[in-house]
Amino acid sequence: DAGVIQSPRHEVTEMGQEVTLRCKPISGHNSLFWYRQTMMRGLELLIYFNNNVPIDDSGMPEDRFSAKMPNASFSTLKIQPSEPRDSAVYFCASRRGTGDTEAFFGQGTRLTVV
Amino acid sequence: AQSVSQHNHHVILSEAASLELGCNYSYGGTVNLFWYVQYPGQHLQLLLKYFSGDPLVKGIKGFEAEFIKSKFSFNLRKPSVQWSDTAEYFCAVLNTNAGKSTFGDGTTLTVKP
Repeated sequence: DAGVIQSPRHEVTEMGQEVTLRCKPISGHNSLFWYRQTMMRGLELLIYFNNNVPIDDSGMPEDRFSAKMPNASFSTLKIQPSEPRDSAVYFCASRRGTGDTEAFFGQGTRLTVV
Repeated sequence: AQSVSQHNHHVILSEAASLELGCNYSYGGTVNLFWYVQYPGQHLQLLLKYFSGDPLVKGIKGFEAEFIKSKFSFNLRKPSVQWSDTAEYFCAVLNTNAGKSTFGDGTTLTVKP
């Protein structure tokens, strides 16, 4: 398996533009997580899905952020409109089941909003 | 709510020194515990994990961690660090009931050659 695949790897956008980050989890994994990593706040869980259903989105910073998982092999994290403070590395991770398994992380998307 | 606390934000060591990174969690239920490592510019990778059984777990690259249930701790250790261990280390707790993982703030380890 190729692992968790995120795209794009880098994104630079102007303030106010819409940004869409994509994630393909490992096949057979039914839990998916979106994290944001910054120097100031470390690694924050934004939202996670079990079987394509959002379970906990309490980490989503505000209404500008939204995430979807239309099927088991694809998820998006959208920021609209983007702001400079959204600049961070966004990681997607997936895990098999909710039991005794570890999460596997993607390479991350480095977002810069100017 | 579960939380994870890593006591050291930045640790600087010389090569061959011994390492211990602290991790404490707060959650009364059944948990699985993990240590992840993030090398500069890379994604998080699993170092080791504890699910059950022997509380002393051994991971890759000579790392080990000990789960002490009474102290809610899962400290990471390595007897002799190398320059290549320079990275950020994250402790994580998985609430097995909710399926939710919580990460600590991370500890940056710098090993001087």
